[in-house]
Amino acid sequence: TQLLEQSPQFLSIQEGENLTVYCNSSSVFSSLQWYRQEPGEGPVLLVTVVTGGEVKKLKRLTFQFGDARKDSSLHITAAQPGDTGLYLCAGTNTGNQFYFGTGTSLTVIP
Amino acid sequence: NAGVTQTPKFQVLKTGQSMTLQCAQDMNHEYMSWYRQDPGMGLRLIHYSVGAGITDQGEVPNGYNVSRSTTEDFPLRLLSAAPSQTSVYFCASSRSGSAPFFGQGTRLTVV
Repeated sequence: TQLLEQSPQFLSIQEGENLTVYCNSSSVFSSLQWYRQEPGEGPVLLVTVVTGGEVKKLKRLTFQFGDARKDSSLHITAAQPGDTGLYLCAGTNTGNQFYFGTGTSLTVIP
Repeated sequence: NAGVTQTPKFQVLKTGQSMTLQCAQDMNHEYMSWYRQDPGMGLRLIHYSVGAGITDQGEVPNGYNVSRSTTEDFPLRLLSAAPSQTSVYFCASSRSGSAPFFGQGTRLTVV
């Protein structure tokens, strides 16, 4: 059973375009994380959101946690080739078991 | 800054062989965990530990054993490897309530 579903699974866009990646669940989470993973490497944490409705910005990346704490979105403005990678969302209720989404593979074409 | 160190980076096993994937962290984190990553399935939790001497099962524990004799080390043992265990394995550590910090992974192929 996959608790977290991400969409789209694959995304290929031109440099300079905007995009949004979604992470949805039927479960409520106490916190939700977004990671980026590059080929041959482990996932690297980008952000943690903990409050329903919370919005966090990290340069050109905007993260939002849904009001009901069941979903989240990642919006990238003016994508660059360096944004290419696998984006993973993860959620937890216990603080020691983290459930990961299926991932969104992003390719930004120069 | 070593962080989480996994060895080996690559391994090929024959069906039925056993091996241990090593994981060490130098951040004094209480929590450590093992995940496997398969195409289209994200990361799935195999086993985790909340401290030395304490381990518990995750989503997909069958075929794997773990132990945590020290805070720093959390090895993952495959007792009798099967082709279904071909995957990329990630070890992670964290402080209580914080997001996992991952190692660079071990790519395992079972033939």
